[in-house]
Amino acid sequence: DTGVSQNPRHKITKRGQNVTFRCDPISEHNRLYWYRQTLGQGPEFLTYFQNEAQLEKSRLLSDRFSAERPKGSFSTLEIQRTEQGDSAMYLCASSPQGQGYGYTFGSGTRLTVV
Amino acid sequence: AQTVTQSQPEMSVQEAETVTLSCTYDTSENNYYLFWYKQPPSRQMILVIRQEAYKQQNATENRFSVNFQKAAKSFSLKISDSQLGDTAMYFCAFRGTFGDMRFGAGTRLTVKP
Repeated sequence: DTGVSQNPRHKITKRGQNVTFRCDPISEHNRLYWYRQTLGQGPEFLTYFQNEAQLEKSRLLSDRFSAERPKGSFSTLEIQRTEQGDSAMYLCASSPQGQGYGYTFGSGTRLTVV
Repeated sequence: AQTVTQSQPEMSVQEAETVTLSCTYDTSENNYYLFWYKQPPSRQMILVIRQEAYKQQNATENRFSVNFQKAAKSFSLKISDSQLGDTAMYFCAFRGTFGDMRFGAGTRLTVKP
């Protein structure tokens, strides 16, 4: 297993366009998390899945954001009608179920909205 | 809601010396875990060390150790014999009962030769 993989690494889009990011977690991990990180800040929680079920969504996740994890494997995060304020690093992480496990993070997708 | 506070936005240390990064948190839970993550420039987050709240013994991983003060809700990271490769952002994180992890704003550590 090569860890958590995120694609693309970088995405530049025009305001108003839709974008979709993909995350492939560690195959043994049934939990998958999405975070957003802006420059000089810590990651902010967006949403997480246990298998294919989306169990929690942050209030940060407006209705322009949607995430899926079909079949409990990879996940996609879609942002519709992007705004300049959406520019950030989007991080995906996975972990086994259980409170004591740390997360394994991917390298992130850097989104720039112009 | 749990909050994690890192009051030192930036710190620096001379190579081979020791540095301590501070973290405080707020929670009403009794059973939780605390973590320190390292994020080198333009690289992914890496878990440095983990502490279980019900264990009084402070966690240690090689040159990295923590000072966990549960009553004070304090969780500091000590890096001994600092190396140039320790230069990174360091994030303190809290994970309670409900599964997702909350992070502090981070401390930018620079190790100087």
